[in-house]
Amino acid sequence: NIVMTQSPKSMSISVGDRVTMNCKASQNVGNNIAWYQQKPGQSPKLLIYYASNRYTGVPDRFTGGGYGTDFTLTINSVQAEDAAFYYCQRIYNSWTFGGGTKLELK
Amino acid sequence: AVQLVESGGGLVQPKESLKISCAASGFTFSNAAMYWVRQAPGKGLEWVARIRTKPNNYATYYADSVKGRFTISRDDSKSMVYLQMDNLKTEDTAMYYCTASIAATVMDAWGQGASVTVSS
Repeated sequence: NIVMTQSPKSMSISVGDRVTMNCKASQNVGNNIAWYQQKPGQSPKLLIYYASNRYTGVPDRFTGGGYGTDFTLTINSVQAEDAAFYYCQRIYNSWTFGGGTKLELK
Repeated sequence: AVQLVESGGGLVQPKESLKISCAASGFTFSNAAMYWVRQAPGKGLEWVARIRTKPNNYATYYADSVKGRFTISRDDSKSMVYLQMDNLKTEDTAMYYCTASIAATVMDAWGQGASVTVSS
């Protein structure tokens, strides 16, 4: 079974900063990765699919990248409303989630 | 607007059964693969089950942690998806989210969740 490992587990940054979080697959998954954002008390929301495609309505400060086993989610000029948990997920043949990265604002 | 509304959650004892439901609206339900994803209190997301569409023979897939105990099903005539949970364990305690793949093979729509607590 493929394992998805996210790093770091948490990060604290300032509004306006640029942040990059990582997702590593234990086997080659091609571009079959999605990223979700979950704010406290809310359901997750899709941000990125097939590694780099921004979902409808997602601000362009969110960018996904990577292929194979190593993937990134970058947020340019972080806003206060971006404080949340972020999860990567394999999206083909199994739908395993990573453990999540908590983004906090200073 | 797309809506997924879960129902049927509650408190059950270990080894008991529970069936939760999800009512879908705002999209062509019969064309969408449907999923259940759960989240234990204070923990991350865990995919539970998937059911494909009629052209794909309603194929089902399960996480190893629930295989043999949980059954996902759907009723396209009612735009409903279900999760039958048997032989429940305390570690099944979680918020259970109904999700749909509407645009592509991703969970692009989510419900608000149904809370399931397994405790004696």
